[in-house]
Amino acid sequence: DAKTTQPPSMDCAEGRAANLPCNHSTISGNEYVYWYRQIHSQGPQYIIHGLKNNETNEMASLIITEDRKSSTLILPHATLRDTAVYYCIVTNRDDKIIFGKGTRLHILP
Amino acid sequence: DADVTQTPRNRITKTGKRIMLECSQTKGHDRMYWYRQDPGLGLRLIYYSFDVKDINKGEISDGYSVSRQAQAKFSLSLESAIPNQTALYFCATSDFGRGQETQYFGPGTRLLVL
Repeated sequence: DAKTTQPPSMDCAEGRAANLPCNHSTISGNEYVYWYRQIHSQGPQYIIHGLKNNETNEMASLIITEDRKSSTLILPHATLRDTAVYYCIVTNRDDKIIFGKGTRLHILP
Repeated sequence: DADVTQTPRNRITKTGKRIMLECSQTKGHDRMYWYRQDPGLGLRLIYYSFDVKDINKGEISDGYSVSRQAQAKFSLSLESAIPNQTALYFCATSDFGRGQETQYFGPGTRLLVL
């Protein structure tokens, strides 16, 4: 079973920041938080990951709470091409990667 | 050229037939995975392999088998296909560095079992 809980769907206006939440209340100290997205029926694409510090790259920012029990993926200026299913995954180096059902993000023009 | 390739991209077969889906990668990764995706659902893990001599069952391995012929190749077989195995199948490899693992996915294989 997936170790994360995400809302099934969200809407965001084009040009605004999209904030996607993820709960992972049972996360262990050596587990990382990863985010992937899947556009239509393509293979999922890696976005970002983190352990406990906030992270930013060219695609997104990842905010992890101090207790590490939840995180938020931020797409700073959403475009129509960001419409996708976003998966939050928790895993460590010795474990397999399990995807949940993700959040279907709709970017509204 | 794509780093992770899957063949065939589309396949129609009949109930009871044996079929094989193949995955090849040029990324030099040790870890490889097979997932299936049903319409409107997330990915479910079928099998995974952390190196050439390692094979592990995932969430839904019944009805499937795999072969890791080399570091670069990981094949998924359906010994006797059934209609509820109709799905989109993805192969993935992972880059394991500095204790962190990032997956790279192939384009997927659409399988229809009649």
